[in-house]
Amino acid sequence: KAGVTQTPRYLIKTRGQQVTLSCSPISGHRSVSWYQQTPGQGLQFLFEYFSETQRNKGNFPGRFSGRQFSNSRSEMNVSTLELGDSALYLCASSPRVGRNTEAFFGQGTRLTVV
Amino acid sequence: GENVEQHPSTLSVQEGDSAVIKCTYSDSASNYFPWYKQELGKGPQLIIDIRSNVGEKKDQRIAVTLNKTAKHFSLHITETQPEDSAVYFCAAEGQAGTALIFGKGTTLSVSS
Repeated sequence: KAGVTQTPRYLIKTRGQQVTLSCSPISGHRSVSWYQQTPGQGLQFLFEYFSETQRNKGNFPGRFSGRQFSNSRSEMNVSTLELGDSALYLCASSPRVGRNTEAFFGQGTRLTVV
Repeated sequence: GENVEQHPSTLSVQEGDSAVIKCTYSDSASNYFPWYKQELGKGPQLIIDIRSNVGEKKDQRIAVTLNKTAKHFSLHITETQPEDSAVYFCAAEGQAGTALIFGKGTTLSVSS
């Protein structure tokens, strides 16, 4: 079974631009979560999607948004990029929604804002 | 707010020794505690998890223990090998559904 696939692996953007990252979950998984990983803050939850609906949102500004498609693929968008948005963005897929659920991560998209 | 503390931040052991990483959590409603291993340039890999209805779980050289009363859980790696060198993260589920709250990570170095 293929794992979680994130594209692109690396991105360099300029301050003020916007960016869209893509995630394809493990086949059969319908829940997708996004996390931001930085050296200073560690791994922080961004949001979770299930059946094309956002179920849960972390403490990030409205510049961070996401969506999920009918095939469970998900995208996240960051608008008006800031230098502090430079991070590894990780997508995790889960076999079901709710508590006590395993989450399997992709390799991440490394975003650098210059 | 919800918090997971992880110690130590770095751990160096000789090949064949045991390694122990400890975490404490703040939300008494948490019932799911996964551990992840992250190698350089890769995403976190789920290596073992434990749910609150058990106190210990083993998978070959890896074991996790949970003390719900004290709100702490630990990862034990026995007979360490150089390929165990990585950053290890503990996590606990947050109040809001499946969002995980992560510890800051432990960099484990196993020297041969």
